[in-house]
Amino acid sequence: AQTVTQSQPEMSVQEAETVTLSCTYDTSENNYYLFWYKQPPSRQMILVIRQEAYKQQNATENRFSVNFQKAAKSFSLKISDSQLGDTAMYFCAFIAGNQFYFGTGTSLTVIP
Amino acid sequence: GAVVSQHPSRVICKSGTSVKIECRSLDFQATTMFWYRQFPKQSLMLMATSNEGSKATYEQGVEKDKFLINHASLTLSTLTVTSAHPEDSSFYICSARAAGGGRPYYGYTFGSGTRLTVV
Repeated sequence: AQTVTQSQPEMSVQEAETVTLSCTYDTSENNYYLFWYKQPPSRQMILVIRQEAYKQQNATENRFSVNFQKAAKSFSLKISDSQLGDTAMYFCAFIAGNQFYFGTGTSLTVIP
Repeated sequence: GAVVSQHPSRVICKSGTSVKIECRSLDFQATTMFWYRQFPKQSLMLMATSNEGSKATYEQGVEKDKFLINHASLTLSTLTVTSAHPEDSSFYICSARAAGGGRPYYGYTFGSGTRLTVV
């Protein structure tokens, strides 16, 4: 079975601080890609960062970075220098066999 | 970058009527389009996958006669909710994957979603 688990339904962080969102997944596929998507109140799905499973190096996009532990099937997202615009729902996902599998999301609130 | 336009963004319809939602890839050809449904504060649920020129593949539990999907061209897919009922009220999101080239699993772009309210 292909599953994605986000164990933190809600989180908050002070502006300018760092926060880490956790995600674990399960798949029998060898070749897959992992993603973090952001869904602000506008409901538009915005790609935050992606990681190829065959790459050991953790992906980084400006203030966003991941900690990818393939053996543990863990894919956490670290947001540094949190900004008010980071307030959104964050979904962890992976693609295997041309299909997305999404977690249940973590609602992040950045507190001024 | 790749843009997917989804219309309408909001629609209110009367119970028993049909509603059509369009999903267009504006600057790329989409061989595959996906339709999702999202309930408040929940994740995206895949409803169906459509490939251009062929019948859509529906996920288990999704009524294909209620949710008609047409992918007539490489840039347009439509979802028609037929004989809508209040329980069909939800947020519907499409996603398109670019045709050809590049790495696998890249090139997925989401539309901005449609909020359907059936009264």
